[in-house]
Amino acid sequence: DAGITQSPRHKVTETGTPVTLRCHQTENHRYMYWYRQDPGHGLRLIHYSYGVKDTDKGEVSDGYSVSRSKTEDFLLTLESATSSQTSVYFCAISDSQVHEQYFGPGTRLTVT
Amino acid sequence: TQLLEQSPQFLSIQEGENLTVYCNSSSVFSSLQWYRQEPGEGPVLLVTVVTGGEVKKLKRLTFQFGDARKDSSLHITAAQPGDTGLYLCAGASSGGGADGLTFGKGTHLIIQP
Repeated sequence: DAGITQSPRHKVTETGTPVTLRCHQTENHRYMYWYRQDPGHGLRLIHYSYGVKDTDKGEVSDGYSVSRSKTEDFLLTLESATSSQTSVYFCAISDSQVHEQYFGPGTRLTVT
Repeated sequence: TQLLEQSPQFLSIQEGENLTVYCNSSSVFSSLQWYRQEPGEGPVLLVTVVTGGEVKKLKRLTFQFGDARKDSSLHITAAQPGDTGLYLCAGASSGGGADGLTFGKGTHLIIQP
């Protein structure tokens, strides 16, 4: 299995609170991704990174920001959490021309 | 926006039966992947198909990429309860960018003993 960890694994927070989720990899893969998974919507891309300090927006980036200061870490920040951001968040990594991705275990975030 | 439609959305069958899951799009993909996800875990990559018409076998699972690289199928022979899970197809854009994969919404498969 690819070495990917996510922290925290579970979090409950209040509306308006800032939240940061962390993804850490030990594979030295170039590409890193943040997805959210919701019933009826499947997996949707939030942001991705193609190198240190190189990031771009995905399909559902509003309300989220990311940072990647080291190859191994990719942070997802909700500046002011809303109830619509209650979801399961997955980090994925890739270093392949065919974009095979390896996923972390996920973070379940509940915004009350 | 590229879309991937998976069918069926839900499937419950008896152990030993065969089944096929479909993944269709009007877009061309440079590669297509199948993942399996269990509750509380992240998706796990099963296979990647790259060439139109390609067929790959993984034990009792057979994956096929359409000739035009717009669709794919997953066939399971003699399904086992351990095959239960959410099956996701995902396509990489033909532009070759690093902007992630387009995922289908998944097929929830239940194999009853």
